[in-house]
Amino acid sequence: DAEITQSPRHKITETGRQVTLACHQTWNHNNMFWYRQDLGHGLRLIHYSYGVQDTNKGEVSDGYSVSRSNTEDLPLTLESAASSQTSVYFCASSESNRGPVTQYFGPGTRLTVL
Amino acid sequence: EDKVVQSPLSLVVHEGDTVTLNCSYEVTNFRSLLWYKQEKKAPTFLFMLTSSGIEKKSGRLSSILDKKELFSILNITATQTGDSAIYLCAAISNFGNEKLTFGTGTRLTIIP
Repeated sequence: DAEITQSPRHKITETGRQVTLACHQTWNHNNMFWYRQDLGHGLRLIHYSYGVQDTNKGEVSDGYSVSRSNTEDLPLTLESAASSQTSVYFCASSESNRGPVTQYFGPGTRLTVL
Repeated sequence: EDKVVQSPLSLVVHEGDTVTLNCSYEVTNFRSLLWYKQEKKAPTFLFMLTSSGIEKKSGRLSSILDKKELFSILNITATQTGDSAIYLCAAISNFGNEKLTFGTGTRLTIIP
């Protein structure tokens, strides 16, 4: 069955380290998204991509980067992790905007920055 | 700036009660509104509403959109403990992209 997976599911790191969170989907969706979820803020968009080699900044993109070298993967990199980036991170994907706009979410990655 | 506001922030009711969750939005060139249910993991899709006044139903859950007043409600009748979750509302604009703007959610707790 098609799915969207994230790894690792849990990560503890130290301030200043580079961290990469993986997102992989097998639906062949063009669109992929990264969100972070924090108490009191709901889900906030970090970066998104509409296809290979396309990336765009969301509302909370500072300190994060993404790359899209193929359809299936959109890794999220924290260049120099900060304690403020402790959060739960969700990846999502959807078909092109000609079709349904439902976004399907991965299981999430809980990141703790000490 | 696009904005979605949900109310109440939290709600505690007894099993069997009916609840109404609210979502108001301010989105440039609004396209659709989506409801998600989030338990201890990722959000799962419930409804997508695009047209005003057409009720979407799925079992005990129903939702309706009012595009004139810019809000949506999610109703749950005969609540069960399995309905306990955070319910998220998200709005999407019609600028040719699919960015969702989420509300902070309503935490619903059903007491047996």
